[in-house]
Amino acid sequence: LAKTTQPISMDSYEGQEVNITCSHNNIATNDYITWYQQFPSQGPRFIIQGYKTKVTNEVASLFIPADRKSSTLSLPRVSLSDTAVYYCLVGLYNQGGKLIFGQGTELSVKP
Amino acid sequence: NAGVMQNPRHLVRRRGQEARLRCSPMKGHSHVYWYRQLPEEGLKFMVYLQKENIIDESGMPKERFSAEFPKEGPSILRIQQVVRGDSAAYFCASSPKSGMNTEAFFGQGTRLTVV
Repeated sequence: LAKTTQPISMDSYEGQEVNITCSHNNIATNDYITWYQQFPSQGPRFIIQGYKTKVTNEVASLFIPADRKSSTLSLPRVSLSDTAVYYCLVGLYNQGGKLIFGQGTELSVKP
Repeated sequence: NAGVMQNPRHLVRRRGQEARLRCSPMKGHSHVYWYRQLPEEGLKFMVYLQKENIIDESGMPKERFSAEFPKEGPSILRIQQVVRGDSAAYFCASSPKSGMNTEAFFGQGTRLTVV
């Protein structure tokens, strides 16, 4: 199983860009990289997924270097409502169909 | 299209009672996953089911826990003879297929409190 390593916590201020990096040194050729967001007392919510280079949607961007051993979730101009735990997952559904969550990064956005 | 529905949202049980948690997947989704989240911890995979089949139960405790996903009706996670350590949030997720780029949708969870 491809293991992921993320910072346990990060602090930011409203209006700033936040970049959360995830390391996945033993990512497999067929693995995708997926990020989920979880607010307190809620279920996780899909943010973005990518395989290589750059992916952008209305919420975030995902940057993946050529060696794919890491990835960076970029949240532009965060607001207080972006305070949440962000999970990086690798190898979506290549482990018999289950998602394996790591510890996640607890992002705290301050006014 | 309604999202993944879990009920009840909150469940209180006394030690030794049974807890039954229900999960209705999104319409058209035949894959269901159950996760447990203890306070201040991450989500731990418990079981993966398709209609009428358990695909992977490697995260289920060996005793007292069982899950099913019948042909008709919601998926059920059953915990018999609950203990205080079972107190946690239980999340269900569903997806339309199992594949490399399939998004899973999570419910709001059931918070079980054992007193």
